[in-house]
Amino acid sequence: ILNVEQSPQSLHVQEGDSTNFTCSFPSSNFYALHWYRWETAKSPEALFVMTLNGDEKKKGRISATLNTKEGYSYLYIKGSQPEDSATYLCAFNSGNTPLVFGKGTRLSVIA
Amino acid sequence: NAGVTQTPKFQVLKTGQSMTLQCAQDMNHNSMYWYRQDPGMGLRLIYYSASEGTTDKGEVPNGYNVSRLNKREFSLRLESAAPSQTSVYFCASSEARGYQPQHFGDGTRLSIL
Repeated sequence: ILNVEQSPQSLHVQEGDSTNFTCSFPSSNFYALHWYRWETAKSPEALFVMTLNGDEKKKGRISATLNTKEGYSYLYIKGSQPEDSATYLCAFNSGNTPLVFGKGTRLSVIA
Repeated sequence: NAGVTQTPKFQVLKTGQSMTLQCAQDMNHNSMYWYRQDPGMGLRLIYYSASEGTTDKGEVPNGYNVSRLNKREFSLRLESAAPSQTSVYFCASSEARGYQPQHFGDGTRLSIL
């Protein structure tokens, strides 16, 4: 079973702080890396799907980078707001297998 | 714009009872998935269907069966429910298996006593 690790498991930041977290995945047989945002009592929503080494994607204050050679992706949130509080999931795909999800990073933004 | 619809939203069963969770998508997606979410475990894949007419086991298939009824619908059946199957179940769909995002339903909260 492929292993996808996310760190930290959880973090608390003050409103206005910028923050980032990591997703580590196997560096072989890479096909795609997904990021999802999952608010409490809701369902996961896709943020980004990244396929190329060196990819950078941005949506508002949230951005992500991808390094397929070393097997990691960073998610950045600039100027965190309370509405950013959620669990952020990454998921790895090797092309011939379904997505494998990490356990997520739970972000709490304190006003 | 419905997306992925799951029914029911909540269910309580007794050990040994059977039930079917229903999932339907209106996005004309080829691939559909069933996950369970347990505290500290993230999302774990139970079964998936890469295209109409095919189904495959995921990470935790024991105790479950699935049916891809048509392109829109993918159901999950618990034949003899066990307390270990108490969980939140999510259905998802995507255009293709790897490089398109998955779209999730709102989940079914299932408790087995």
